[in-house]
Amino acid sequence: EIILTQSPVTLSLSPGERATLSCRASQTIRYSLDWYQQKPGQAPRLVIYGTGTRATGIPARFSGSGSGTDFTLTISSLEPDDFAIYYCQQRSNWTPAVTFGQGTRLEIK
Amino acid sequence: QVQLQESGPGLVKPSQTLSLTCTVSGGSISVGGYYWSWIRQLPGKGLEWIGYIYYTGSTYSNPPLKSRVTISVDTAQNQFSLKLYSVTAADTAVYFCAREVWLGDLYYYDLWGPGTLVTVSS
Repeated sequence: EIILTQSPVTLSLSPGERATLSCRASQTIRYSLDWYQQKPGQAPRLVIYGTGTRATGIPARFSGSGSGTDFTLTISSLEPDDFAIYYCQQRSNWTPAVTFGQGTRLEIK
Repeated sequence: QVQLQESGPGLVKPSQTLSLTCTVSGGSISVGGYYWSWIRQLPGKGLEWIGYIYYTGSTYSNPPLKSRVTISVDTAQNQFSLKLYSVTAADTAVYFCAREVWLGDLYYYDLWGPGTLVTVSS
């Protein structure tokens, strides 16, 4: 089973600042890694799929990168609407299982 | 556009069976390239994948839950369902149904239901 570890657990930043969220896998990911945004009381929303492709409607300030075991979600200049919890997620290499990271809470400083 | 909606009891007694249905509207569940999934979120916690089903009936469940989970599909009703047996308070969570896209080596959840809170309590 691949374990996804996200860091930091909480990230406190101000609007306009750059946010860098990390997701590290316990072993090399064969398939791609995805990122989701979740706000209180809402379902998660796809932000990035295939490591670096923005989902429909996601602004260009969001970008994803990485390979192997280390992946990053970057928000270039935070808007008030971006403050939320972000989860990374992947499909397992060797079994058709799905795992999520524990989440990074992006909060307003 | 395609939408998902969970339905089922919001309160289940311990040791009983949690049963939820996800209705797919605006599109057919019998289309290749999608896995129809259940994911839950324990109170104040992260996301836990429960399992998925393909429209052909092929399923796979999270190993820690596998012995207590059945996922089924009703293509005529355009629905898929979750049964979780022998529930305890630890199964209290918001349950989401979601559509996972399968595109070559890409897998991602592009569509989610709003979620439904299920509380296990006597």
